[in-house]
Amino acid sequence: GQNIDQPTEMTATEGAIVQINCTYQTSGFNGLFWYQQHAGEAPTFLSYNVLDGLEEKGRFSSFLSRSKGYSYLLLKELQMKDSASYLCAVVDSNYQLIWGAGTKLIIKP
Amino acid sequence: ETGVTQTPRHLVMGMTNKKSLKCEQHLGHNAMYWYKQSAKKPLELMFVYNFKEQTENNSVPSRFSPECPNSSHLFLHLHTLQPEDSALYLCASSQDRGAANEKLFFGSGTQLSVL
Repeated sequence: GQNIDQPTEMTATEGAIVQINCTYQTSGFNGLFWYQQHAGEAPTFLSYNVLDGLEEKGRFSSFLSRSKGYSYLLLKELQMKDSASYLCAVVDSNYQLIWGAGTKLIIKP
Repeated sequence: ETGVTQTPRHLVMGMTNKKSLKCEQHLGHNAMYWYKQSAKKPLELMFVYNFKEQTENNSVPSRFSPECPNSSHLFLHLHTLQPEDSALYLCASSQDRGAANEKLFFGSGTQLSVL
């Protein structure tokens, strides 16, 4: 079967750094997405990785290791508005999106 | 104005009611999707439309009936629902269907409660 694992909930402090991990076992791999979803709002696109390595986009960075079936989202200089759920999704060999259950990130002052 | 608009935002219905969810996208996209989001569970893809034609139905019970009159509008007709159907229903669109890096643009969803 296909599976995406990410922690259910994480807590971090304002101004700090947090890393949200995502591991996957899928039939094939054609890229990995990260989306952010604030409570009661639409998920919004953060990043797409298909090659190994780190991609930086402002305070957010996304890392991929295809050989390890592993990705992480790194959030720096945390702000209260970063409190949200972060969804990991993998594109499999049939170009279907396989979703994780999401990680709820709580930022404390 | 957001790119994908869903109405209503909240809906409470009895098991014998008939209701419809509406989705409209203003992005000029060709593909539209219905997803179900339950607490602490992965997003479940329900239906996919590409150029107004239904291309995917992921074994969704017939009490959910989609309709796509044009590339900008998508409906989900609900009839004789069960309490376990209570969830957030998300509409999404993308430029096309099939490219691996195709970004999805979501609406804010309809929070459905079935009593």
